[in-house]
Amino acid sequence: DVKVTQSSRYLVKRTGEKVFLECVQDMDHENMFWYRQDPGLGLRLIYFSYDVKMKEKGDIPEGYSVSREKKERFSLILESASTNQTSMYLCASSFQSTYEQYFGPGTRLTVT
Amino acid sequence: AQSVTQLDSQVPVFEEAPVELRCNYSSSVSVYLFWYVQYPNQGLQLLLKYLSGSTLVKGINGFEAEFNKSQTSFHLRKPSVHISDTAEYFCAIHSTGGGNKLTFGTGTQLKVEL
Repeated sequence: DVKVTQSSRYLVKRTGEKVFLECVQDMDHENMFWYRQDPGLGLRLIYFSYDVKMKEKGDIPEGYSVSREKKERFSLILESASTNQTSMYLCASSFQSTYEQYFGPGTRLTVT
Repeated sequence: AQSVTQLDSQVPVFEEAPVELRCNYSSSVSVYLFWYVQYPNQGLQLLLKYLSGSTLVKGINGFEAEFNKSQTSFHLRKPSVHISDTAEYFCAIHSTGGGNKLTFGTGTQLKVEL
């Protein structure tokens, strides 16, 4: 079974803190994705990566950065957390050729 | 650019009744279509997918969907729902000219009542 794990299920941070969200997949997938999920807005793509050290902006990259130093790990970084970044963050991965994405359980981040 | 519309944000239904969750898409090129389910406090799980071939696609948990190219739709159906089907359902599209990304709809909350 494909497994995508995220470092925390729940996280509470203060405004201005630097926040790291980690995602690890065990299926040797080339592609990895970070989404945020908000009520009524569905899933919105923040960043994705199609190879180690490669990244592309998604639909809402402002206020976020990413890092992919190893194929299995994709990190989302909030350089200076703000209250409007309170959300559910979902990581996903896929093979280059199949498009079907496998999701982690999500991290619910609250910024106070 | 492609887009997905899920017109119904919430669908209440009684147990053992049939249900249809609607999904319409917009794309100028060939598409692959997906339905995902999200149970409370969990990530998304793939229900079914249409890549090519038969337009009627069967998925897990008794769900099926029909790809209708002329109506640009991919509605999800189940003939008899259970309490355990209560979840949020997302339709997603991959366009052949869209790189490796999926575009998701805003989701439909299915609430099954006794």
